[in-house]
Amino acid sequence: EPEVTQTPSHQVTQMGQEVILRCVPISNHLYFYWYRQILGQKVEFLVSFYNNEISEKSEIFDDQFSVERPDGSNFTLKIRSTKLEDSAMYFCASSDGTETYGYTFGSGTRLTVV
Amino acid sequence: GQNIDQPTEMTATEGAIVQINCTYQTSGFNGLFWYQQHAGEAPTFLSYNVLDGLEEKGRFSSFLSRSKGYSYLLLKELQMKDSASYLCAGFYNTDKLIFGTGTRLQVFP
Repeated sequence: EPEVTQTPSHQVTQMGQEVILRCVPISNHLYFYWYRQILGQKVEFLVSFYNNEISEKSEIFDDQFSVERPDGSNFTLKIRSTKLEDSAMYFCASSDGTETYGYTFGSGTRLTVV
Repeated sequence: GQNIDQPTEMTATEGAIVQINCTYQTSGFNGLFWYQQHAGEAPTFLSYNVLDGLEEKGRFSSFLSRSKGYSYLLLKELQMKDSASYLCAGFYNTDKLIFGTGTRLQVFP
């Protein structure tokens, strides 16, 4: 079964450092997303990406965040200057645009900012 | 905003049936997803309801009432491995999902 792959599975970084979280969506999917889940809290939408541009972003997705699809397979989330409150599980998801099967989520990257 | 409400925790016994309820705001609503999430893992898709009524998939069924802004996930013949969080998520006019807090289900022998 096709899957969304995320690397690394766990990243520890110092406050103020830049991090890049990587995702390889399912190959025939056209819609890509990042969500995050702070420990013990609900899954929150960050950004959606379609046709090489951001289609929607949440209030969380401020100027410190950016996304990129640098080639035909990768989809990245960059946090320019990490803060303690950025510590969370970050999930990448992709969709073929048909609602029926929902999104396919990756296994997540646990980001710990120290 | 679009609030999704579901109970925080539920407990049940192995072999029993449990119903997890979810209410949502109907404005701009397109459909309702249920996901299962084990601790530290990604959400996995269980069901998607667009039309009113019950959809059955093996031991799991999901119900939707669009007029009432209400859904439930029904789990039958509970097994220990069903202990997990169950996430209700609304799909609205944009292409993002709005998640509830999740219902942590504990199944006891």
